[in-house]
Amino acid sequence: LAKTTQPISMDSYEGQEVNITCSHNNIATNDYITWYQQFPSQGPRFIIQGYKTKVTNEVASLFIPADRKSSTLSLPRVSLSDTAVYYCLVGDYNFNKFYFGSGTKLNVKP
Amino acid sequence: SAVISQKPSRDICQRGTSLTIQCQVDSQVTMMFWYRQQPGQSLTLIATANQGSEATYESGFVIDKFPISRPNLTFSTLTVSNMSPEDSSIYLCSAHGSNQETQYFGPGTRLLVL
Repeated sequence: LAKTTQPISMDSYEGQEVNITCSHNNIATNDYITWYQQFPSQGPRFIIQGYKTKVTNEVASLFIPADRKSSTLSLPRVSLSDTAVYYCLVGDYNFNKFYFGSGTKLNVKP
Repeated sequence: SAVISQKPSRDICQRGTSLTIQCQVDSQVTMMFWYRQQPGQSLTLIATANQGSEATYESGFVIDKFPISRPNLTFSTLTVSNMSPEDSSIYLCSAHGSNQETQYFGPGTRLLVL
């Protein structure tokens, strides 16, 4: 299984771009990378998923280098409401095998 | 996406008793998962529940302690048996359909065992 490593916490200010990196050195060929956001007292919420290169949606971008040993979640112009824990998950597309990271607590300050 | 509900949302139980948590999905899904999450910690997978087959448990979790049912493609239950204070945690279910790109999570059940 491709275990993951994330920073425990990060601080940012409103309006800044935030980049959270996840390391997954042992990622398998058929593994995808998925990021989730979790607020207190809620279940994780899907943000974005990718396999390689760059993926962008309405809330975030995901950058994956060619060797796929890491990935970076980019949140543009964060607001106070983006204060949450962000989890990186690595696993095959059907979730037969997957690993949830330890999470990065993002604190957005005014 | 899938909308997932859990019952109960929270409960306080006495040690030695059992609690069954229900998970309902608004669409048919192939796989359902049960997790445990301690406060401030990441999610720990308990088991995977596929309809029509026995649940598959992760290391450290056993069927006698956490029996799971999956009677159809939209519903599953997790029972926490013979509870002790160490079972106090948040229990989450999630679902993944064959035409979905990710797992969708329920809101969780907060369990406190006294």
